[in-house]
Amino acid sequence: SAVISQKPSRDICQRGTSLTIQCQVDSQVTMMFWYRQQPGQSLTLIATANQGSEATYESGFVIDKFPISRPNLTFSTLTVSNMSPEDSSIYLCSVEREGETQYFGPGTRLLVL
Amino acid sequence: GENVEQHPSTLSVQEGDSAVIKCTYSDSASNYFPWYKQELGKGPQLIIDIRSNVGEKKDQRIAVTLNKTAKHFSLHITETQPEDSAVYFCAASILGNQFYFGTGTSLTVIP
Repeated sequence: SAVISQKPSRDICQRGTSLTIQCQVDSQVTMMFWYRQQPGQSLTLIATANQGSEATYESGFVIDKFPISRPNLTFSTLTVSNMSPEDSSIYLCSVEREGETQYFGPGTRLLVL
Repeated sequence: GENVEQHPSTLSVQEGDSAVIKCTYSDSASNYFPWYKQELGKGPQLIIDIRSNVGEKKDQRIAVTLNKTAKHFSLHITETQPEDSAVYFCAASILGNQFYFGTGTSLTVIP
């Protein structure tokens, strides 16, 4: 398994501002992912964070809105830019080692007013 | 791409009874099927998984069955306890590739 931490655990933000969420894992992993989970809904993949290169975004998500960094094999950040109330969600980081399953962090609960 | 359907969306059982959650998938190439449990205010936690070369896997009160021909897999929880109350998600993938998640089942175990 993997021990994953996310910061902040929750936040309340004003519209138009940006928030950066950090994901730290206790050992090196091959893959890191960012998901969004809207209230009462399933998990939607935002992007795959690639170490040393630009993230790979899923349809409907763009780099300008959700810039992602992954400077090494244990850390990644997701920024939610120019926030609106529609961005209120749980943002989840997950990690995967080659040939293994995905493990999720505890999530960041974001409320945009 | 893969499409995963999950039923039921909500499930209430009496403590001690069994609970069954079913998922179907569309891509016959999928070979890995994990189940996650998400408690309120927490991230999803892997509880059991199965690969396509196995038909059934059991871990204490939890079991998963896979029917590759029919492209469906199920989670079975026996002797349910109040702490089993949570939202359960199934997923399907070709291992090493994107996970496709079901829509979730909210399980309530009534003491």
